[in-house]
Amino acid sequence: GQQLNQSPQSMFIQEGEDVSMNCTSSSIFNTWLWYKQEPGEGPVLLIALYKAGELTSNGRLTAQFGITRKDSFLNISASIPSDVGIYFCAGQSVNAGNNRKLIWGLGTSLAVNP
Amino acid sequence: EPEVTQTPSHQVTQMGQEVILRCVPISNHLYFYWYRQILGQKVEFLVSFYNNEISEKSEIFDDQFSVERPDGSNFTLKIRSTKLEDSAMYFCASRATGSEQYFGPGTRLTVT
Repeated sequence: GQQLNQSPQSMFIQEGEDVSMNCTSSSIFNTWLWYKQEPGEGPVLLIALYKAGELTSNGRLTAQFGITRKDSFLNISASIPSDVGIYFCAGQSVNAGNNRKLIWGLGTSLAVNP
Repeated sequence: EPEVTQTPSHQVTQMGQEVILRCVPISNHLYFYWYRQILGQKVEFLVSFYNNEISEKSEIFDDQFSVERPDGSNFTLKIRSTKLEDSAMYFCASRATGSEQYFGPGTRLTVT
């Protein structure tokens, strides 16, 4: 089945640093979504991307939909302790049809040292 | 802000027992989903539901699983005879006509 490769697997950074993570796929996606999950909670939608090349920001978060439609990245600027969590990319393939099921990456675990 | 809710937050059951996980999607949403996440692993699609019928299901969603929207608000996932490997977090999600899926807080299912 389709897979998303997400990297890095984990990051441990100092407060104030910028963070970058990305997802790649061997197949084309129509939509990329970035979610954050904190322990014991469900994924929370951060950013949605719909067009190749699209660059979208949400506060300190910026995400881009790759030109090839096979990748996406998420940047977090000036990290703070509450950024701690697992960040997932999720994509909807061109074959998803109207169901639009999500294919998920394995997640990037972010730890921020105050 | 409207949100997806799920009950119970944690369910412990014995192998072979039936469980029903409940979800209340966002009220004006039309498409409903169940996903699961085994501890430490990625989120996996189980089933999508639209217009009162299953629109797609994964290989995981075998004959032991069923979904139902018994009234205008609830969306349930039933596992008829639970197995140890069914232990996971189960997430319900819903969306309107766009692509953005909104997730509930999940139900942690523990099968002993």
